[in-house]
Amino acid sequence: DVKVTQSSRYLVKRTGEKVFLECVQDMDHENMFWYRQDPGLGLRLIYFSYDVKMKEKGDIPEGYSVSREKKERFSLILESASTNQTSMYLCASSFLLSGELQETQYFGPGTRLLVL
Amino acid sequence: GQQVMQIPQYQHVQEGEDFTTYCNSSTTLSNIQWYKQRPGGHPVFLIQLVKSGEVKKQKRLTFQFGEAKKNSSLHITATQTTDVGTYFCAGGNNAGNMLTFGGGTRLMVKP
Repeated sequence: DVKVTQSSRYLVKRTGEKVFLECVQDMDHENMFWYRQDPGLGLRLIYFSYDVKMKEKGDIPEGYSVSREKKERFSLILESASTNQTSMYLCASSFLLSGELQETQYFGPGTRLLVL
Repeated sequence: GQQVMQIPQYQHVQEGEDFTTYCNSSTTLSNIQWYKQRPGGHPVFLIQLVKSGEVKKQKRLTFQFGEAKKNSSLHITATQTTDVGTYFCAGGNNAGNMLTFGGGTRLMVKP
């Protein structure tokens, strides 16, 4: 069974703080993703990584950076948190199911971040 | 870039009524995936459609992919309270493993 875990379920930080969100998957997946989820906006891709040390910007990378030093771990970094980064952050890894064309994504439980 | 729109944003139904959510892409898709997120939970993969005009069923759920591969729908027959949640469509293209998610349709079922 695929397991994607995130370091915190809830996090409260102050404006200007550096914030680290950690994601770990135990299935040796190559692709990992960070999204933020806001009401009415669905899931918006921040960054994704297709291999160790490789990263690609998603739709909304501004104000974020990522790190993938090991295959199983993908970190999202808010260099200087701002109130508009208050959101639910979801990590995912993806895997090609037998017979499917494109990989499907397995999500972690999410981290609800509040920036004061 | 690719945009995926989903309607309605919210839907209240009485238990036993049917429900449909619609998904439209600005570009032709290679595949469409559907996910369900229960309240307080995370999105969980339901199904993937690949072929033009494809229809797939999972019990009371019917998924369709349009002929032009730019739209899709999810229909639930005779909703139950266990169907409550937000349903997301996600469009894939041939550029890799990225998905573009729609805004989701939040389904609420009154018992």
